[in-house]
Amino acid sequence: AQSVTQLGSHVSVSEGALVLLRCNYSSSVPPYLFWYVQYPNQGLQLLLKYTSAATLVKGINGFEAEFKKSETSFHLTKPSAHMSDAAEYFCAVSGLGNAGNMLTFGGGTRLMVKP
Amino acid sequence: GAGVSQSPSNKVTEKGKDVELRCDPISGHTALYWYRQSLGQGLEFLIYFQGNSAPDKSGLPSDRFSAERTGGSVSTLTIQRTQQEDSAVYLCASSLQTVSPLHFGNGTRLTVT
Repeated sequence: AQSVTQLGSHVSVSEGALVLLRCNYSSSVPPYLFWYVQYPNQGLQLLLKYTSAATLVKGINGFEAEFKKSETSFHLTKPSAHMSDAAEYFCAVSGLGNAGNMLTFGGGTRLMVKP
Repeated sequence: GAGVSQSPSNKVTEKGKDVELRCDPISGHTALYWYRQSLGQGLEFLIYFQGNSAPDKSGLPSDRFSAERTGGSVSTLTIQRTQQEDSAVYLCASSLQTVSPLHFGNGTRLTVT
C-alpha cells in the first residue's frame, strides 16, 4: 500500500523567496517518487523523479528535491521563486505494485507567488 | 504529435446520459492510465492498461464506468448514466515501460448538469 501526504494545500511566497513544498510518503516497497506541476487548464508535467539513484534530484525550472528515507520525505525546493512558478504541484509515489508504475498522488499544493 | 492527446477537451452532458472520453497515447507507449481529478478529491486512479494484459480496473468507482483499449493504442473511457458527482477532469497518461514517468494529456473536463 502506498500513500502521499502534502502538507499545506496552499503556499504563498514572495517573488525571489525560497520555495518549499512538503511531501511525505508511505510505501511497502522501495519507492519511486515524483513531483509534477500543473498549470491552469493543462495536464501534469513531470518536474523531477527519484528512482533510487542520487538522493538529491534536480529537475526542470530550477527545482530540486531530496529523498530522505529516515524521514520518509521528498520535499520540493527552489531557491528563488519566479512569478511563472505559480501553479499546482503534486507529489506522487509508485512502487512497482500490481499496476506497473501506477502513481498514487498527494492532494496537491497550490503555489502562489506575490510580486 | 509528440504528446498524449485527449478529446473532447470539454464535455457538458445531462444527468443520465452516457459519455465517451478518448485518449491517444504517445506512440510506442505500452502502458496507459486513466485518472480523475475532482475538486477536493485530488487525483484518483481509475484504470491501467499494460500491453495485452488484462487491465487493472481496481480504481473504477462503480459499474457505470468502463474502459477499453483497442489495438494497444487508443483508449476510450465510457461513463453510463452520468451523475452530477461524475463531474471532474479526466486525465489520461501513458508511459514507455514500467518505471518510466507518466506523460499526461491535458484532460477532458466533464460537467454533468
